[in-house]
Amino acid sequence: DQQVKQNSPSLSVQEGRISILNCDYTNSMFDYFLWYKKYPAEGPTFLISISSIKDKNEDGRFTVFLNKSAKHLSLHIVPSQPGDSAVYFCAASANAGNNRKLIWGLGTSLAVNP
Amino acid sequence: EAQVTQNPRYLITVTGKKLTVTCSQNMNHEYMSWYRQDPGLGLRQIYYSMNVEVTDKGDVPEGYKVSRKEKRNFPLILESPSPNQTSLYFCASSPRDRRGSGANVLTFGAGSRLTVL
Repeated sequence: DQQVKQNSPSLSVQEGRISILNCDYTNSMFDYFLWYKKYPAEGPTFLISISSIKDKNEDGRFTVFLNKSAKHLSLHIVPSQPGDSAVYFCAASANAGNNRKLIWGLGTSLAVNP
Repeated sequence: EAQVTQNPRYLITVTGKKLTVTCSQNMNHEYMSWYRQDPGLGLRQIYYSMNVEVTDKGDVPEGYKVSRKEKRNFPLILESPSPNQTSLYFCASSPRDRRGSGANVLTFGAGSRLTVL
């Protein structure tokens, strides 16, 4: 059973508009969440993260919001650019000793149209 | 350039023929890990290593071996590959987390696509 769910396999937005990517999780022990971006033929690259003690983290055009009561987080990209077209993965982890194991969603493919 | 390098990037092999996927990082990271990515299943951890000579199983270790004789290298070994090991493999590394636990930002290699016939 997927502990981290990205229910939208794909999303298409116009350049300049806001992209909102959503992620839901089931494990209340998760205390750290990350978003990774992946281009074809490349490995995932880190984008932004948020600790469970916060409800918002911002880095330039990217903002992640965390709603712990709803077990939901979202990534906002404003304004969206064609270069943002990629697959976005949500990942989460719990305090698991020394293993930095991340539990991954299946990804959302974002297409930003010029 | 700081990076994780995997080889080969693409490989087609046959059942039972031993193979090794190499992984090397130049960032002096203590932690390294292998993941496989499969449609509908996402990224799943195979093995990880906290430091030299320290390795442990992840979620799907069956059919794989690893070693960590040097800090920079973390090869993934398939002693007798089978078709269900056809997958996209990623190696990743990160520095030691100061807290000693929890997630850290992983740097991934570009991936190795393996097909076992």
